[in-house]
This record gives sequence, C-alpha cells and structure tokens, in this order.
Amino acid sequence: NAGVTQTPKFQVLKTGQSMTLQCAQDMNHNSMYWYRQDPGMGLRLIYYSASEGTTDKGEVPNGYNVSRLNKREFSLRLESAAPSQTSVYFCASSSPGLSVYEQYFGPGTRLTVT
Amino acid sequence: AQSVTQLGSHVSVSEGALVLLRCNYSSSVPPYLFWYVQYPNQGLQLLLKYTSAATLVKGINGFEAEFKKSETSFHLTKPSAHMSDAAEYFCAVRAGGGADGLTFGKGTHLIIQP
Repeated sequence: NAGVTQTPKFQVLKTGQSMTLQCAQDMNHNSMYWYRQDPGMGLRLIYYSASEGTTDKGEVPNGYNVSRLNKREFSLRLESAAPSQTSVYFCASSSPGLSVYEQYFGPGTRLTVT
Repeated sequence: AQSVTQLGSHVSVSEGALVLLRCNYSSSVPPYLFWYVQYPNQGLQLLLKYTSAATLVKGINGFEAEFKKSETSFHLTKPSAHMSDAAEYFCAVRAGGGADGLTFGKGTHLIIQP
C-alpha cells in the first residue's frame, strides 16, 4: 500500500515549456486534489476532483489544467510554464469513507521554471 | 468563505518545554479543523482532526488540540517538546463536510533548542 505517489520528484523547465505532473493513489479514494506550496504562503488549492469524471477550480487555477484519468489517477498539466509557477506541488486524496474527509498527501514535486 | 490564521511564523522552545502553536479560523458554517506536520523535504502528515465529537482532540506523537468555538481557535499543544518535533506545522479548515479542498494557514516553523 503505497498511499499517494507523485512523479517526477524534481523537474526543471524553461519558460514556455509544458509538462504533466502525475499523481496516483491506491487507497480507493473518490476525491483527489492538487495544491501548490510557496514559502510563507502555506498550501493553496489549484484544482480538485470530488469524484471520477468531475473537476473543479480551486483558489489558484490559472495556468493549469487537470485530468481525472480514472479513480486512481489525477494529473496536473502546465501548458506554458512561467517562473511564477516555480513551487512545490502536492497531490492529495480523500474519501467519504473517512470520518471527515481528511486528506492524505503525496511526497511532492519540486518544480523550477527558469 | 473560510480562512485560517497561524500566529507566529517561527516558534522556538527548549527541549522538554511546553509547545503551543496558535491557530484561529473563520467559517460561516461549523468547521472541520485539522493540524498537519511537514518534516523537511516530505509531504504533509495528519496530526489530528476536529470532528465535533469532542472539543479536546488527541493526535499522534503526544500532540493535542482544543476546539474553542467562542474564541474561534484550535491551538496545538504538547506538554514536553522533543528534538524530533522540529518541523513545519499547518492548521487547515474546511467549512462543513464534503469533498471540497482545505484552506491552510501559512504555517509555523517549530524550532527545538537543546
């Protein structure tokens, strides 16, 4: 039981390049989330998927797209990376089977855009 | 909309001393509250959660938090700090139940002095 896994762990992009961050969970959770963490800012929600087939914007969705590929996988795409997207990205999952939808987090992807 | 304020971006205590990390929230509906811990270069780990079942909540590693509705607070405490407690701590809130994302505070970096 690996929990929430994310790939890659590190990535360096040039401005304008695109990439997809991958996230998978093996806990049979319905809901999945993408957050970004910046120094002194805490974590901010980018997008979430309450259930397979649905996605919704969070607090900071601009410049990102998401795909809920199936119940296990939720990807985050940067179409044209900008230096402002340099951050640590965390994926999380949750489920109505848990008492209060507490979220379980992956190890993060550290992205640098030059 | 909900929000979280964590007082003190850095808190320093001596080993064996009381740890007190402050969290105040605002929410238009009864909140669900969480404390997460992040060790260097790792993801977030759930410490404890408030579910409305009890106002005093016990978590892992000897931490506990008390929900005080009148003060809109959910402060985290530990009677005796250990060197291994050095980490970043985040308070988070979600308004009501459901699959919505969490709103995080900006975090408190706990430093343990030998």
